[in-house]
Amino acid sequence: QKEVEQNSGPLSVPEGAIASLNCTYSDRGSQSFFWYRQYSGKSPELIMFIYSNGDKEDGRFTAQLNKASQYVSLLIRDSQPSDSATYLCAVLKDYKLSFGAGTTVTVRA
Amino acid sequence: ETGVTQTPRHLVMGMTNKKSLKCEQHLGHNAMYWYKQSAKKPLELMFVYNFKEQTENNSVPSRFSPECPNSSHLFLHLHTLQPEDSALYLCASSPTSVGAAYQETQYFGPGTRLLVL
Repeated sequence: QKEVEQNSGPLSVPEGAIASLNCTYSDRGSQSFFWYRQYSGKSPELIMFIYSNGDKEDGRFTAQLNKASQYVSLLIRDSQPSDSATYLCAVLKDYKLSFGAGTTVTVRA
Repeated sequence: ETGVTQTPRHLVMGMTNKKSLKCEQHLGHNAMYWYKQSAKKPLELMFVYNFKEQTENNSVPSRFSPECPNSSHLFLHLHTLQPEDSALYLCASSPTSVGAAYQETQYFGPGTRLLVL
């Protein structure tokens, strides 16, 4: 079983729509959860992190965490073409960060 | 710009060459990391340094040799690599990897794109 699983996509959404990305993790002792965005040929950049159950909003982005279900998600509202990228879910335990393979999102104009 | 720089940005080397990758962080962080990112695969953690001490070696082959002379600099020395080592090598840093682990956020450098011929 992979430590962090994501749908690889691609996830295609029209401009202005909501993109919903999902991530599950295997280790119940995981402490924090991160979403990174990676453009092709570039390094990952942090979008947001969450460590308490519930929702956390930052601009057009909302992270949702459900530790009982070992599930974390990212919603992108009012999707823009500039949001087209690969989104990496990362799970932190004891300072070690484990990454999913990423979900590729394409926002079509 | 995250405050983490890496050089060179691109590197082509033969299997018998010796080269080094350099990472520098300007964030005052105490932990630094090397990751490998191959096509279609998740980022793989290679090494972790805390306060200049290596605290993690994720079963990395000895042809990769890290060096951390101080908390701001991290090197990855490469020797007799294989073509399958071609990948994007990413350096990251975080404030500290002890204590409040749940608050750790890692910031990545731009990476070195390595091609081994």
